[in-house]
Amino acid sequence: ELHLVQSGSEVKKSGESLTISCKASGYDFRTYWIAWVRQMPGKGLEWMGFIYPADSDARYNPSFQGQVTMSVDKSLSTAYLQWNSLKASDTAMYYCARGGWSTTAPFDPWGQGTLVTVSS
Amino acid sequence: QSALTQPPSASGSPGQSVAISCTGTSSDVGGYNYVSWYQQHPGKAPKLMIYEVNRRPSGVPYRFSGSKSGNTASLTVSGLQAEDEATYFCSSYGGNNNYVFGTGTQVIVL
Repeated sequence: ELHLVQSGSEVKKSGESLTISCKASGYDFRTYWIAWVRQMPGKGLEWMGFIYPADSDARYNPSFQGQVTMSVDKSLSTAYLQWNSLKASDTAMYYCARGGWSTTAPFDPWGQGTLVTVSS
Repeated sequence: QSALTQPPSASGSPGQSVAISCTGTSSDVGGYNYVSWYQQHPGKAPKLMIYEVNRRPSGVPYRFSGSKSGNTASLTVSGLQAEDEATYFCSSYGGNNNYVFGTGTQVIVL
């Protein structure tokens, strides 16, 4: 069965760094794009970007380019989302989701989400 | 890329149908048949309900259907049930490896 399991909630201060993870199981991790999606409190979904694990080819939403870094560890079937310097406005729920073999595929399934809270 | 436009809410009684619109541009919804719909219950992760405009993943009830005309896509829930009360988001491929989500519609079962 396909599963994406994300790391637990985080509470950080502005300026700190953070990496959250998304561990995949039940399929060939290398050959499906992994997407990251932000949901700020009480708001809608925002596509942040996706990464192709086989070669770490990453495509970013221009709004998030330079703000976060996506990476993978193929040996662990795990994708990561990293911040070097958090801001209070990064407070949100972050979801990973499996895409398809191409970037046009829908996102299914989704991880359970990682809540990131950043205090100023 | 701007978010796709959805009505904030829609409602219907059990057994009735409700339709939700999702309006984009010729650069996203109108330009590709890669429109998806996601259901999100409070405190839960989104779940894929429709992809490629009108295709249902395995396990999604037949009462969920999708369509598209020009720059507007639609999700129809027929035979509304209490468990369908949730927020629904559309999404579309936007070209150049970009994706965009809709603003979300809260469906209320009266």
